[in-house]
Amino acid sequence: SQTIHQWPATLVQPVGSPLSLECTVEGTSNPNLYWYRQAAGRGLQLLFYSVGIGQISSEVPQNLSASRPQDRQFILSSKKLLLSDSGFYLCAWSRQLRAGYTFGSGTRLTVV
Amino acid sequence: EDKVVQSPLSLVVHEGDTVTLNCSYEVTNFRSLLWYKQEKKAPTFLFMLTSSGIEKKSGRLSSILDKKELFSILNITATQTGDSAIYLCAALYSSASKIIFGSGTRLSIRP
Repeated sequence: SQTIHQWPATLVQPVGSPLSLECTVEGTSNPNLYWYRQAAGRGLQLLFYSVGIGQISSEVPQNLSASRPQDRQFILSSKKLLLSDSGFYLCAWSRQLRAGYTFGSGTRLTVV
Repeated sequence: EDKVVQSPLSLVVHEGDTVTLNCSYEVTNFRSLLWYKQEKKAPTFLFMLTSSGIEKKSGRLSSILDKKELFSILNITATQTGDSAIYLCAALYSSASKIIFGSGTRLSIRP
């Protein structure tokens, strides 16, 4: 069966520090991978998605970036965090999008 | 700009009540409408609706899509405290490469 792992679960980082969140999928190949952010009390905002290794589509201009170094690995990064980067970050995958997404357990990031 | 709009933003009802959550969308190249339930962490999939007028049911939950009027509703009958959650509506593009979400409806069920 397919599983998605996302870590860490919680992160507190100072303004200006770098960020690296990792997401990996097991039990499938060539998945579509997604990064979403959810601000408090808000819906999910699509940040990046990838349909293959090295293929990254950015939805929102910001100081975040994403990379897909391996087929089942998706990384969200920042060189210098801003206070506005605080939020709940969710990774998701889909093999056939007709069945919807499967989400990871999320990372709650607080920038202080 | 493509968007998904949900209403109400929040709703408080008593256990046993029936609720209707609304979702409207303006999405170019629309394929399907999805509903998710989010409790503490990751959203969990409820329904995917692709055709108009066909109701999907799962226990006390049901949903229907109107592709002419560009909206969907999610009904929950005989609500229970375990139904308390954020309910998210999302639109799937016909390219099947991404989904955009609405802001969610926060539903609270009082015993």
